[in-house]
Amino acid sequence: DVKVTQSSRYLVKRTGEKVFLECVQDMDHENMFWYRQDPGLGLRLIYFSYDVKMKEKGDIPEGYSVSREKKERFSLILESASTNQTSMYLCATHKANNEKLFFGSGTQLSVL
Amino acid sequence: DQQVKQNSPSLSVQEGRISILNCDYTNSMFDYFLWYKKYPAEGPTFLISISSIKDKNEDGRFTVFLNKSAKHLSLHIVPSQPGDSAVYFCAASVYGNEKLTFGTGTRLTIIP
Repeated sequence: DVKVTQSSRYLVKRTGEKVFLECVQDMDHENMFWYRQDPGLGLRLIYFSYDVKMKEKGDIPEGYSVSREKKERFSLILESASTNQTSMYLCATHKANNEKLFFGSGTQLSVL
Repeated sequence: DQQVKQNSPSLSVQEGRISILNCDYTNSMFDYFLWYKKYPAEGPTFLISISSIKDKNEDGRFTVFLNKSAKHLSLHIVPSQPGDSAVYFCAASVYGNEKLTFGTGTRLTIIP
């Protein structure tokens, strides 16, 4: 099965800090995604990438950027963390469009 | 603008009975639908999918029904088991598009 590894399960950061969330997949998939999950709002797409150095905005990209220098690694960057970015962040990948998504275990980020 | 809605945030069902989870969508371009299951502190895992050329898809205890005219899909779990207690997300996409739009989730609790 596909393994999607997120570097941290829990993170606590202060407002204004630059935060990096890392995600690595082991299946050579082209497509990678970053979602955030909030109670009552479900999963919302922040950014996705369909190839190395390619990125597309999702539904809520404000306050975030991404980096995809290598096919297996997709990083989410919070340039200046704010309290409204406290959330569960989920990385996902799939082999091709309309294939099922495989998710990592998530990173619970708290911004104080 | 929530294009995929799950109007019941929670549902409790007796063990052995049928669980029915509902999902409505507004975007008539959506033609591929999926259900994901999420346990606490884990990423969502794929459960079952259906394309718009079908109105029903079955996999063991899980059946998904699609009513295109009503823009409505439902997930039936029968019989319900304690291990089914989780949050269920429905998701939709346009065939050939990388982007998946998720609903807000329904927390299912199976009562022993």
